[in-house]
Amino acid sequence: QVQLQESGPGLVRPSETLSLTCTVSGASINSYYWTWIRQPPGKGLEWMGHIFNSGNTDYNPSLKSRVTISVDASKQRFSLQLTSVTAADTAVYYCARENSGSFGIDYWGQGTLVTVSS
Amino acid sequence: DIQLTQSPSFLSASVGDRVTITCRASQVISNYLAWYQQGPGKAPKLLIYAASTLQSGLLSRFSGSGSGTEFTLTISSLQPEDFATYYCQQLNYYPWTFGQGTKVEIK
Repeated sequence: QVQLQESGPGLVRPSETLSLTCTVSGASINSYYWTWIRQPPGKGLEWMGHIFNSGNTDYNPSLKSRVTISVDASKQRFSLQLTSVTAADTAVYYCARENSGSFGIDYWGQGTLVTVSS
Repeated sequence: DIQLTQSPSFLSASVGDRVTITCRASQVISNYLAWYQQGPGKAPKLLIYAASTLQSGLLSRFSGSGSGTEFTLTISSLQPEDFATYYCQQLNYYPWTFGQGTKVEIK
C-alpha cells in the first residue's frame, strides 16, 4: 500500500520560504516521478513540478525560479521549497506519485493547507 | 501551456443518470489525458489514464474516450458517492495542466 504524508508549517510569512516534506512508504522513491500539486482555496489544481531518478526535475514555468524539489532517498522523502511567497501562494499543497509513461498521478497525500500571512 | 477546457463547469443530475463531461485541449495531446475525481476536502483520485484506461480497482461505471483534442468522461449510472468535482489533466507537454473542473451536484 503506497502512502504519502506531507509535513511542514501551516503558516508562512510573506517574502519568506515555504518548505514542505513528503514521506513515502510502500514504494521506492528511486522509482517513479514524485510530484507537488497545489490548490488555492475554492480553485483548481496546479502542477508545480516533479523529480525523478533521484535528481532530475521539471518545474512549472509559472513559478519561475522560485520552486525547488529535492529528494532524500535514504529517508524515503522528497521536499518542496517555494521562495518569496505572497498571499497568492496560499493553498492546499499535495505531494503525489506520478506513474511513468504519462499514466497519471495515482497516489496522493492528504494535502496540507499553507497560509501566507503576516 | 496547453489549455484544457471542461464543459460543463457545473452539472446537476440525479442518482441513476448517465453523465458525460467533455475536455477539450488547445493542441493535440494524443491520448495523454487523465481524469480525476475530487470529493469535498479530499485529495483527487485517479479514475482514468491514457484517455480510456480505467484505473485498477475502480468500478466500470466510469469510462473515458477520445484522442487528439477532444475527450469525454462518462459515468454510466450516477451513484451518491459520485457527486464530486472532476478534473482532466494532460501529460503530453510540460507543464502538465488541468482543466478548470466540473462540479457534479445532486438535482
